Formats: sequence, structure tokens, C-alpha cells
Amino acid sequence: EEQLVQSGGGSVQPGGSLRLSCAASGFTFSDHYMDWVRQAPGKGLEWVGRFRNTTDTHNTEYGASVKGRFTISGDDSQNSVFLQMNSLKTEDSAVYYCGREGTYYDAVTGRTNIYYAMDVWGQGTTVTVSS
Amino acid sequence: SNELTQPPSVSVSPGQTARITCSGETLSNQYGYWYQQRTGQAPVLIIYKDQERLSGIPERFSGSRSGSIVTLTISGVKAEDEADYYCQSADSGGAYKVFGGGTKLTVL
Repeated sequence: EEQLVQSGGGSVQPGGSLRLSCAASGFTFSDHYMDWVRQAPGKGLEWVGRFRNTTDTHNTEYGASVKGRFTISGDDSQNSVFLQMNSLKTEDSAVYYCGREGTYYDAVTGRTNIYYAMDVWGQGTTVTVSS
Repeated sequence: SNELTQPPSVSVSPGQTARITCSGETLSNQYGYWYQQRTGQAPVLIIYKDQERLSGIPERFSGSRSGSIVTLTISGVKAEDEADYYCQSADSGGAYKVFGGGTKLTVL
């Protein structure tokens, strides 16, 4: 079974730091891009950032609201992706999800391509930033 | 602008057809995707590349496009379909993703 299991999270004061982990199983982690998405209480989904796979040299991209404060990293040997959150603000309080970007087989080209959406999700972990 | 616009709510009776639209400049040249999120659960991808249904998703869920508007259609709605539905798109390289504000589907 393809699965993502998250850990970390909790409560922290403004200005503090937290690290979230997301462990993959049931698929070849190094083939996929991994994303982080968050959802503030009662609100919609917000994209946080993305970690590219080994082929794309593990490049990262971030949403505007977290760029410069959050860092995404990964470890192929652990089949895991991480979200390091620094300089946390109250507005960062949310449930954080990791997600795997899906792939599809293009019969015309014979290639497997990535589609830019998440087909496997972690269970979510709650981050609360409050004084 | 990279915003996606959805109606906040849609209500239908069981057995009827629900349609949820999503519009935005990003969709003019990028695919749309749809997620279902039941209360207290993680989102589930149901439609990718505008109209492709994920394996295991019931056939009553379908996606379509007309210009820069993508639509999720649920035919023969069931009580279990009551959930929040989000559309999503991305820039040309998929590097920056954007979600719509979500639509709450109520089954009367």
C-alpha cells in the first residue's frame, strides 16, 4: 500500500521553530516530487512548497507566505521529506499535510510524466503557534 | 492573477446532478485538478488533467473544461458525496500550485 506517515508538529510560541517529517512506503520515493500543503482552522488548502526528486537535483520551491522561513529537505535513504519551519507566526497555525505528486503513463511518447497534483496524502499534523 | 474561483456552496438532493465550477487565469493554459475532502480527513485527488479520473473513483465523478473554466460534475449524487471540493492548478512547470477556495457540497 502506498502510504505517507507524518510526525512532528505541536505547539510553539511565535518566533519559534518546528520540524515536520513525512515517511513514504509502498512506492519508490526517489521517483516522485513531494509537496507540503496546509489548512488553517476552518479555511481552505494552501500550497506551502515542493521538493523535487533526485533526477531534478532535489530542487525546492515555496509559496510566497513561507519563503525565507520554511525549508523543505529530503532523504532518499530514509524515504522521507521534511519541513523545517522557522520564525513561526500565529498565522502559520494549521494542519500540515505532505503529498506525493502523481505520475501517468503517456502512451504516445512511452514516457512516465508527472502531473502537478497530489495523489497520495499523509494523515496531517497540527501546528499551533500561540503565545 | 493566480487565483482560482469556486462557488462557496452547492446543494442538491440525492440522485440529482451537482456541478462545481472553477475559473482562473492559470487555467487558461494549465490543467485543473479536483480534490474531495470529507470532514476531518485529508484531501483525496479525484480528477487530474481536467478530466482523468483516479483509479477507484466512482464513475459518477467527471471533469470537463470550457475555456478557462473547469467543472466537476457528480451525477446521481449520494449522501456520502457530501464534502468540500477543491480545484487546483499550477504554473507551467508545476512549481507553484494554487487552490480554489473550496465548495461545500450539501446533499439535502
